[in-house]
Amino acid sequence: GAGVSQTPSNKVTEKGKYVELRCDPISGHTALYWYRQSLGQGPEFLIYFQGTGAADDSGLPNDRFFAVRPEGSVSTLKIQRTERGDSAVYLCASSIDSQETQYFGPGTRLLVL
Amino acid sequence: TQLLEQSPQFLSIQEGENLTVYCNSSSVFSSLQWYRQEPGEGPVLLVTVVTGGEVKKLKRLTFQFGDARKDSSLHITAAQPGDTGLYLCAGVYTSGTYKYIFGTGTRLKVLA
Repeated sequence: GAGVSQTPSNKVTEKGKYVELRCDPISGHTALYWYRQSLGQGPEFLIYFQGTGAADDSGLPNDRFFAVRPEGSVSTLKIQRTERGDSAVYLCASSIDSQETQYFGPGTRLLVL
Repeated sequence: TQLLEQSPQFLSIQEGENLTVYCNSSSVFSSLQWYRQEPGEGPVLLVTVVTGGEVKKLKRLTFQFGDARKDSSLHITAAQPGDTGLYLCAGVYTSGTYKYIFGTGTRLKVLA
């Protein structure tokens, strides 16, 4: 069956631009997580959705970062006024519910020049 | 800030050798997970340990959760080149929301 997919797989942008990163979770999975992974590091929690609502957004680094999941399926991570320090791999994971196994997508590699 | 430290950070060994990776924190977790991640892919769950002192085996991999549920170890017996990858532990918090805090990672390379 289809796993978690993320688009684009790679994104190069210039400092100050706006970007959107998309996550398509496994069908029927109610929990969705966004993480950021810098080179050589473990994933860093950003935000967790249960259904349409953000159950925990305590990992978002500042107000330039925002995420939505309007219909409880696809989620979009939005970054405004990108900075070079935002360069990283952004990972999405979904699970049937929050207590079950997370399945990760391949990530979006964001490079801010 | 919760922090999970893994050691060693890097490990390069010959095929057939044994190794142990450690995951340590000052925080108590509801459970702890181990993942393996390959280049260009997301992490894949290997195991979840829940009870303090629990030991789980997955073929040549042995996972142990510390008695106080603050630390864990992963032992690989007779490593093979296919074991090469980034190994990540993740502590699970269930107070309020279900949250995963990942460790700093151990990059393992097994040479043939």
